[in-house]
Amino acid sequence: DARVTQTPRHKVTEMGQEVTMRCQPILGHNTVFWYRQTMMQGLELLAYFRNRAPLDDSGMPKDRFSAEMPDATLATLKIQPSEPRDSAVYFCASGLIGTVNTEAFFGQGTRLTVV
Amino acid sequence: QKEVEQDPGPLSVPEGAIVSLNCTYSNSAFQYFMWYRQYSRKGPELLMYTYSSGNKEDGRFTAQVDKSSKYISLFIRDSQPSDSATYLCAMRVLNDYKLSFGAGTTVTVRA
Repeated sequence: DARVTQTPRHKVTEMGQEVTMRCQPILGHNTVFWYRQTMMQGLELLAYFRNRAPLDDSGMPKDRFSAEMPDATLATLKIQPSEPRDSAVYFCASGLIGTVNTEAFFGQGTRLTVV
Repeated sequence: QKEVEQDPGPLSVPEGAIVSLNCTYSNSAFQYFMWYRQYSRKGPELLMYTYSSGNKEDGRFTAQVDKSSKYISLFIRDSQPSDSATYLCAMRVLNDYKLSFGAGTTVTVRA
């Protein structure tokens, strides 16, 4: 059962703490996306990678957010220091981009609450 | 003004009714159009995928794209309580795989 796996599913942290969210993309997929979902803004793209190389991170606040792909089976999104306005659901998605009719498959999300 | 506009609803219909969902967009470069379904506290799942203008049917679901009007629609026939979810339209340009999403429309199908 191929699926995108995200950990943790829920995270509550205090303002100023570092938060790391992890994503295991579907095996064989060459593109990984990080999205953030809030009631006010909906789904927003933060960053995406193709073959582990960052292609676009223009949606990500650079001063506190960083995204990496240490290897093909792991993508990470870090926030340091975290702020209450970072509270949201963070989704990772992966896809085999470049083939016909293939788009992003989403994970279950990490629900982050910064208090 | 957002690139993609979608009526957030909510929409409540009786079982068996036709559900009609719509999005408008401003970027004429959008070529690929998708509908995602998102159940509460779950990730979005791809429902329909259409390239350029035209119609596409998959079971009870029909997606329509009218690029001249910058307008896309999703119709759900014979709606079921299990169709109760938030439906998000999404679109992208050729050769760039980042998606622009609508705000999502929450649909409730009453048994």
